[in-house]
Amino acid sequence: GEDVEQSLFLSVREGDSSVINCTYTDSSSTYLYWYKQEPGAGLQLLTYIFSNMDMKQDQRLTVLLNKKDKHLSLRIADTQTGDSAIYFCAENGGSQGNLIFGKGTKLSVKP
Amino acid sequence: DTGVSQDPRHKITKRGQNVTFRCDPISEHNRLYWYRQTLGQGPEFLTYFQNEAQLEKSRLLSDRFSAERPKGSFSTLEIQRTEQGDSAMYLCASSLGPGHLQETQYFGPGTRLLVL
Repeated sequence: GEDVEQSLFLSVREGDSSVINCTYTDSSSTYLYWYKQEPGAGLQLLTYIFSNMDMKQDQRLTVLLNKKDKHLSLRIADTQTGDSAIYFCAENGGSQGNLIFGKGTKLSVKP
Repeated sequence: DTGVSQDPRHKITKRGQNVTFRCDPISEHNRLYWYRQTLGQGPEFLTYFQNEAQLEKSRLLSDRFSAERPKGSFSTLEIQRTEQGDSAMYLCASSLGPGHLQETQYFGPGTRLLVL
């Protein structure tokens, strides 16, 4: 069945790069997404990648997609304390375009 | 440019009571989704509307749950006879519709429900 997996925690120092990894199972997904959730808030769309792309860069964010291995990663350059949040990987593999989410990776940025 | 809004942001209720949440999607967005998020989990799909038509319901949506989108704009989600297991964040999302970038879903701030 459909499944998205992420590591649960990541801790980095301010100024370092963060890399959050995700694996998914549904090869029919056309888009893969990264959302950010701060405590008590909804989900903020960070970026997305179309399934026929290998890489997408958007300011400090770089998304890498390995479709063969069904592996997605999000790299945040020059991580700041304001980047501390939970990051969710999602695929649009649901039968009606609904998103399938991972459990989220909690990113902690230490000053 | 207004995003997706949800009301109320927080709701505390006693077990057995009924609650209703409202979602206002981004204007001109045809698709509206409801998700539920429990602590430590990612959002899980509940149901979806294309304009006013409810096209799919997840198995998570028990008979106590009902959703409407009467005029194809705002939507309501009602939970009857609430149970403690209904405590969660209820998230609404909207998208333009099918086809490439139009599928991108934008989320509201959520309604956090606590059932005592």
